[in-house]
Amino acid sequence: QKEVEQNSGPLSVPEGAIASLNCTYSDRGSQSFFWYRQYSGKSPELIMSIYSNGDKEDGRFTAQLNKASQYVSLLIRDSQPSDSATYLCAVKETSGSRLTFGEGTQLTVNP
Amino acid sequence: NAGVTQTPKFRILKIGQSMTLQCTQDMNHNYMYWYRQDPGMGLKLIYYSVGAGITDKGEVPNGYNVSRSTTEDFPLRLELAAPSQTSVYFCASSYSSVTQETQYFGPGTRLLVL
Repeated sequence: QKEVEQNSGPLSVPEGAIASLNCTYSDRGSQSFFWYRQYSGKSPELIMSIYSNGDKEDGRFTAQLNKASQYVSLLIRDSQPSDSATYLCAVKETSGSRLTFGEGTQLTVNP
Repeated sequence: NAGVTQTPKFRILKIGQSMTLQCTQDMNHNYMYWYRQDPGMGLKLIYYSVGAGITDKGEVPNGYNVSRSTTEDFPLRLELAAPSQTSVYFCASSYSSVTQETQYFGPGTRLLVL
């Protein structure tokens, strides 16, 4: 069983729509969760981190965490073509600093 | 600040050759990491370091070696290159505190082994 699983994609949404990206993880003790965005040919960049159950909003991005269900998601409101990228979910190990990454979901926002 | 820098940007190696991928960070981060990313895949941790003089294996360490003699530098060594090591290699660094644990990535090194 993969430690971090993401919806396989690719995901295509029209401009202005809400894009929903999902991630499940296997380590029930994990406390820190991250969403990275990676444009083609570029390095990952952090867009959201979340540590507590519930929602965390930052501009058009909302991260949602449900530790009981071992589920974390990223919503992108009013999607723009510039949001087209691969989104990587990462979970920090229970003790230490290592991250485990999912395989990523490729998002395309069509004008 | 330059952040995390990596050299070279691209390299072609022949099977059996060796090379060192360089990584330097100027943010005084104590933690540093090496990942590889195969096409269409996520990041796999190769080695990491929690401070100068301390290194540990990640998920896929076979065929690689690292050293950490200074806080700033964390080179990755490939001794006998194999086609399976064709990948994009990313170096990253972070603080260790709970409130400042974002990993910052370098631009990557594309390696092709033929």
